[in-house]
Amino acid sequence: DVKVTQSSRYLVKRTGEKVFLECVQDMDHENMFWYRQDPGLGLRLIYFSYDVKMKEKGDIPEGYSVSREKKERFSLILESASTNQTSMYLCASSFHPRQPQHFGDGTRLSIL
Amino acid sequence: DAKTTQPPSMDCAEGRAANLPCNHSTISGNEYVYWYRQIHSQGPQYIIHGLKNNETNEMASLIITEDRKSSTLILPHATLRDTAVYYCIVSSGAAGNKLTFGGGTRVLVKP
Repeated sequence: DVKVTQSSRYLVKRTGEKVFLECVQDMDHENMFWYRQDPGLGLRLIYFSYDVKMKEKGDIPEGYSVSREKKERFSLILESASTNQTSMYLCASSFHPRQPQHFGDGTRLSIL
Repeated sequence: DAKTTQPPSMDCAEGRAANLPCNHSTISGNEYVYWYRQIHSQGPQYIIHGLKNNETNEMASLIITEDRKSSTLILPHATLRDTAVYYCIVSSGAAGNKLTFGGGTRVLVKP
């Protein structure tokens, strides 16, 4: 089975802090994604990557950056955390664009 | 990507088949139909996907109409652990393959 592991289930940070969310997949998938999920808004794509060191903006990249130095790891960075970034963050990976995405269990991030 | 329409909620008796409908009348020829579910406090779980043929795996069956404008996810013998929000999504699988999750159907399996 595909395993997508997010480093933390719950995280509390302060406004202005630099926050790192880590995601690791164990299936040698080419594609990796970061979404955030908010009540009433569904899942929204922040960034995705289709290869090491490659990244593309999703629908809501403002305030975020990403890093993919190794194929199995995709990091989401909140440069200067703000309260409107309080959300559930979900990482996903897929082998090929038409193959299904497999999700981690999410990180519930609170910015105080 | 095409938009989907699902009923907001449905109940199902434990042990019975659950049939979840999805309308995607604006689907285009290269778009796949994906089904995911999300149990509270967990990430979405992939269930099944298809292009135009019916599909079956260990979790469910997917029936796609001939004109591809609608589909039905069938859980053959619902259990209490199938209680979740079920999402029907269509996507072309183009670069990025963004999945757009709508409101989904909240399924409650009752004993």
